[in-house]
Amino acid sequence: SQKIEQNSEALNIQEGKTATLTCNYTNYSPAYLQWYRQDPGRGPVFLLLIRENEKEKRKERLKVTFDTTLKQSLFHITASQPADSATYLCAKANQAGTALIFGKGTTLSVSS
Amino acid sequence: NAGVTQTPKFRVLKTGQSMTLLCAQDMNHEYMYWYRQDPGMGLRLIHYSVGEGTTAKGEVPDGYNVSRLKKQNFLLGLESAAPSQTSVYFCASSNLGSSYNEQFFGPGTRLTVL
Repeated sequence: SQKIEQNSEALNIQEGKTATLTCNYTNYSPAYLQWYRQDPGRGPVFLLLIRENEKEKRKERLKVTFDTTLKQSLFHITASQPADSATYLCAKANQAGTALIFGKGTTLSVSS
Repeated sequence: NAGVTQTPKFRVLKTGQSMTLLCAQDMNHEYMYWYRQDPGMGLRLIHYSVGEGTTAKGEVPDGYNVSRLKKQNFLLGLESAAPSQTSVYFCASSNLGSSYNEQFFGPGTRLTVL
């Protein structure tokens, strides 16, 4: 079956540090991976999309990498702030490209 | 633009009752999706639609039905609710396929089945 796994359920870091979240997938390599942020009581919000040939993508303090050999994506938040505290989800498309398969998410807590 | 809206926001049902959740989007998106989110299980796809008049099963379709009579609306029905259907339900939409198009999510419906 198609799987996408986020290793850590929770990650606690101090303000100012870099948070690194991991996403691993099995079976086929998707052409794209997506990352979403979800705050309590709200729907997920899209953050970044990375293509398999991009290796790395940045948006402000966010950086995503994509390693098709390791079948892994890393999501980094640099200079983290308490406002970054949320659950972060990674997702890949199913083979037909018609729907997304989501990981269970990693809940990040940034303490001041 | 309102984006993706869901009705109702909260609902409590008794076992065996039926209800319909309504999702509406004003972005002219072709694709629409229904997910459920449970603690420890993440987001799981129930049904989806790739265009008006079409529907397809996702990962956990049993006990649910859907309809997409209008492009902007996607209805999720529970014919005979069960306690196992207690969950938070999210609707989402995207412009064309999911590989390279972000999904826009609604605020969710919290459903409790007693």
